[in-house]
Amino acid sequence: DTAVSQTPKYLVTQMGNDKSIKCEQNLGHDTMYWYKQDSKKFLKIMFSYNNKELIINETVPNRFSPKSPDKAHLNLHINSLELGDSAVYFCASSQQGGLRPNEQFFGPGTRLTVL
Amino acid sequence: AQSVTQPDIHITVSEGASLELRCNYSYGATPYLFWYVQSPGQGLQLLLKYFSGDTLVQGIKGFEAEFKRSQSSFNLRKPSVHWSDAAEYFCAVPMDTGRRALTFGSGTRLQVQP
Repeated sequence: DTAVSQTPKYLVTQMGNDKSIKCEQNLGHDTMYWYKQDSKKFLKIMFSYNNKELIINETVPNRFSPKSPDKAHLNLHINSLELGDSAVYFCASSQQGGLRPNEQFFGPGTRLTVL
Repeated sequence: AQSVTQPDIHITVSEGASLELRCNYSYGATPYLFWYVQSPGQGLQLLLKYFSGDTLVQGIKGFEAEFKRSQSSFNLRKPSVHWSDAAEYFCAVPMDTGRRALTFGSGTRLQVQP
């Protein structure tokens, strides 16, 4: 039973298109994240939601719009795709509580290729 | 903001040899530190974490890491590497106090020779 799942696993599309990536976690966590991993494997946080509320938005172009319909889901919609958006996008979740950060569980990633 | 540096981009070791991957952190107080592993085509999996207390931390898959405040380091070690350990390894810290997202190092790619 997959803890954090993402769909699709691969996404190939043309510049200018709009696409969405979906993420679901069945761990009962209250916090979800989107990270972007570029071609050099560098990982960077994009967004974080806690109980459906956006708490982190790291200078991401407004073509990227996250949506959290409930605590178990965090989707990422990207408008007007550009070549530079090609990357692997990882969803993650954790249970926020107390002063210490808890382990984040990562999905398998979605490899987005923009042609 | 907190940050971590992984000085080694790529390391090759022979199967059965010992391994040490370096991680240096930048933070004034005692940081929370993590090591994650990413196998090819996979997501990231937590190997171990350090919050406080004993500076030698044991993790999964036979890995351990030692927190050294004097050197601002949190190096990952394994006494005997297996071919299945070939992967990308990331050191990470929380972005800053109170924020749960992680800041990752640039990663170290481990290759294992037979």
